Amino acid sequence: DTAVSQTPKYLVTQMGNDKSIKCEQNLGHDTMYWYKQDSKKFLKIMFSYNNKELIINETVPNRFSPKSPDKAHLNLHINSLELGDSAVYFCASSQGTVNSPLHFGNGTRLTVT
Amino acid sequence: DAKTTQPPSMDCAEGRAANLPCNHSTISGNEYVYWYRQIHSQGPQYIIHGLKNNETNEMASLIITEDRKSSTLILPHATLRDTAVYYCIGPNFGNEKLTFGTGTRLTIIP
Repeated sequence: DTAVSQTPKYLVTQMGNDKSIKCEQNLGHDTMYWYKQDSKKFLKIMFSYNNKELIINETVPNRFSPKSPDKAHLNLHINSLELGDSAVYFCASSQGTVNSPLHFGNGTRLTVT
Repeated sequence: DAKTTQPPSMDCAEGRAANLPCNHSTISGNEYVYWYRQIHSQGPQYIIHGLKNNETNEMASLIITEDRKSSTLILPHATLRDTAVYYCIGPNFGNEKLTFGTGTRLTIIP
């Protein structure tokens, strides 16, 4: 009964490859997010979707393309992976109102070699 | 945006109350203060949030000053499992920006 689940947990790939990370939430939330946590442990928002529509795109390279087939899923596709993309990526969801907390998944550790 | 300032690290003895401060002097009138924690490399875990009044739940208490420029998260009886990085954030939902700062690394000492 995991609330926010991400797959895979670990992803090791070579530069130039294309990879996807999947996220699903069973909380009935309207809003989903992708965060990136780099080696310095800063958590930075990348994207936010509300009911399948993009709300936030925080100057993320267009190699990153989120896809939301329905409001319970927000997948992250990354083209032409670079070394600097190595990080832990967290998916989160919320009701999207000022009074609703974020619920995070357990992260996907991406290592680009 | 509500920028937040937290001490980088704190220690607390096991069984004692851990009091984690946060300054958010630029918070606006309709912005909630949220607290999350991240244990090791797990996903951040929601703890508590508040607007003006003090709040308490099964995990912690949140004390917000009357001018709302600062708040304190209180873990009443800290255990070793409370060792984590604690983030105080003040999201600006007008811009849908939810920014996490550097947080406070709390270490519970046996």
